[in-house]
Amino acid sequence: EAQVTQNPRYLITVTGKKLTVTCSQNMNHEYMSWYRQDPGLGLRQIYYSMNVEVTDKGDVPEGYKVSRKEKRNFPLILESPSPNQTSLYFCASRAGLAGADTQYFGPGTRLTVL
Amino acid sequence: RKEVEQDPGPFNVPEGATVAFNCTYSNSASQSFFWYRQDCRKEPKLLMSVYSSGNEDGRFTAQLNRASQYISLLIRDSKLSDSATYLCVVNMGPNDYKLSFGAGTTVTVRA
Repeated sequence: EAQVTQNPRYLITVTGKKLTVTCSQNMNHEYMSWYRQDPGLGLRQIYYSMNVEVTDKGDVPEGYKVSRKEKRNFPLILESPSPNQTSLYFCASRAGLAGADTQYFGPGTRLTVL
Repeated sequence: RKEVEQDPGPFNVPEGATVAFNCTYSNSASQSFFWYRQDCRKEPKLLMSVYSSGNEDGRFTAQLNRASQYISLLIRDSKLSDSATYLCVVNMGPNDYKLSFGAGTTVTVRA
């Protein structure tokens, strides 16, 4: 089954404790993204990757890091989480760079930083 | 000005009713337009793409008005299962692979 998976699905942590949210897709997609979703703001792109070892900042990259060592995986790293990073996070992938390609989302990770 | 703006609603309609709502976008060079559906903080899923000539998918009709820079979604014969948040998604330019998302329009269909 074609899918995007994320782990963990739910996480409660404390300020400053490094964490990683994993993302994996099995569709051989080139383009992957991370978004955060907050009430009233819609999905905002954090980072994206056009291919292995190619990553770039989205609209809200501060406080986050990513890596793309393999095509299928795109982990999101919070080196020192803060309460303002409490949010719902989605990983997404699509086949190519064309804006018309369908984007597939993972199930989401609900993060709470105390 | 936000890149993509939507009326948040909620639109509360009875079963069988027709409901329609719009989304405006700021970049006149935008090329691709979509409606995604999101159920109760689950992942968004593609509902339909929006083509220049307008298109239908069953009870759903999408329209694009480039002159006024908005897209619309119309749902006919609403079902309880149509209750969701509908996200307007726009590709921001011909050489831009970024997608911009509206904050969503919530539709609640009541029995």
